[in-house]
Amino acid sequence: DTAVSQTPKYLVTQMGNDKSIKCEQNLGHDTMYWYKQDSKKFLKIMFSYNNKELIINETVPNRFSPKSPDKAHLNLHINSLELGDSAVYFCASSQSGGWEKLFFGSGTQLSVL
Amino acid sequence: GENVEQHPSTLSVQEGDSAVIKCTYSDSASNYFPWYKQELGKGPQLIIDIRSNVGEKKDQRIAVTLNKTAKHFSLHITETQPEDSAVYFCAASANRDDKIIFGKGTRLHILP
Repeated sequence: DTAVSQTPKYLVTQMGNDKSIKCEQNLGHDTMYWYKQDSKKFLKIMFSYNNKELIINETVPNRFSPKSPDKAHLNLHINSLELGDSAVYFCASSQSGGWEKLFFGSGTQLSVL
Repeated sequence: GENVEQHPSTLSVQEGDSAVIKCTYSDSASNYFPWYKQELGKGPQLIIDIRSNVGEKKDQRIAVTLNKTAKHFSLHITETQPEDSAVYFCAASANRDDKIIFGKGTRLHILP
């Protein structure tokens, strides 16, 4: 009965590969996000979707492509992985946007070798 | 855009003492200020938040103060306990549909 669940928890891959991270929330929230946390713990928003519609798209390489099949799911696909993509990626959701409490998943530790 | 500065980056406090973490923000339109706690291997979790129409809010051992004129807000933890050891993030948001901007975090160590 986890509120925001993301898989996998760990992802180790070679440079140049393509990988996906999946996220699902069972809270009935309208807005979902992807955040990136670097090795210094800095949390930076990448994307947000509201009811399957892209709302925020920060300056993220277009190798990163989010997809929201429905408002309960927001997946992140990364093409041609680079060393600098190594980080922890967090999915989050909120009722309706930046004014509301964020519920975070437990994170996906991506290591690009 | 909004910029949130957080200090200190690391804080060590004797168990039972108080801890204070301070943040400043740049956008005077910001009106929502949450604080998140991140334990090792977990995602951040909201512990307290304050909106701009309030100057102070308290929840048991945790309190947050907001000074809109000076554009700064602080987290106060009293009677610290070992389970308070974590990374704490302040954040600010300018309006209902805007994104939340996080500070760079404070690693809090509670010393036995």
